[in-house]
Amino acid sequence: DAKTTQPPSMDCAEGRAANLPCNHSTISGNEYVYWYRQIHSQGPQYIIHGLKNNETNEMASLIITEDRKSSTLILPHATLRDTAVYYCIVRVFGAGSYQLTFGKGTKLSVIP
Amino acid sequence: DTAVSQTPKYLVTQMGNDKSIKCEQNLGHDTMYWYKQDSKKFLKIMFSYNNKELIINETVPNRFSPKSPDKAHLNLHINSLELGDSAVYFCASSRKTGGGTEAFFGQGTRLTVV
Repeated sequence: DAKTTQPPSMDCAEGRAANLPCNHSTISGNEYVYWYRQIHSQGPQYIIHGLKNNETNEMASLIITEDRKSSTLILPHATLRDTAVYYCIVRVFGAGSYQLTFGKGTKLSVIP
Repeated sequence: DTAVSQTPKYLVTQMGNDKSIKCEQNLGHDTMYWYKQDSKKFLKIMFSYNNKELIINETVPNRFSPKSPDKAHLNLHINSLELGDSAVYFCASSRKTGGGTEAFFGQGTRLTVV
């Protein structure tokens, strides 16, 4: 699985959009970008994934650059409950095992 | 209903003891996993398992063994516990085939070895 690089921490004002970047310059053509988050003391939670096109669901939007070397997770209206560590993971879709390789992630602090 | 549940939530035990952590999923998934999160907060895969295949992370000591009585359960047995085994252990599940590759995680078991 390709490696990812994320800033260690970010702050965001409550109610504003949180934009979390991720670099994955060595991504292969068959690798997807996944985002998970871990709220303090809880298990990781799936947020969204994508291959080339931008994706949106009820939790977030995922913007992937045209060259696929980087992406941004957008939480449109951050709340205090969005304070968590966010992990960007790149892996092959449909591979035999769905083991996830977690990096250090970005600790997002949503400030009142 | 909790999708992936682990018991116990907290476990304190002495060095040298043998302990088990139980995990159950009600999602109908066919693949389950164990992850370990150490004191530095790194999450690392330990095992992935379905009824046909066990994949073991090569760094996991053989004191750790997964046991699956059926498709919905994957328990973690740990023999001769050591201080370094203190961590939070997360169980997870996913579908192996088809769409929807997201993994669902339990709430974790905090193991403290004294």
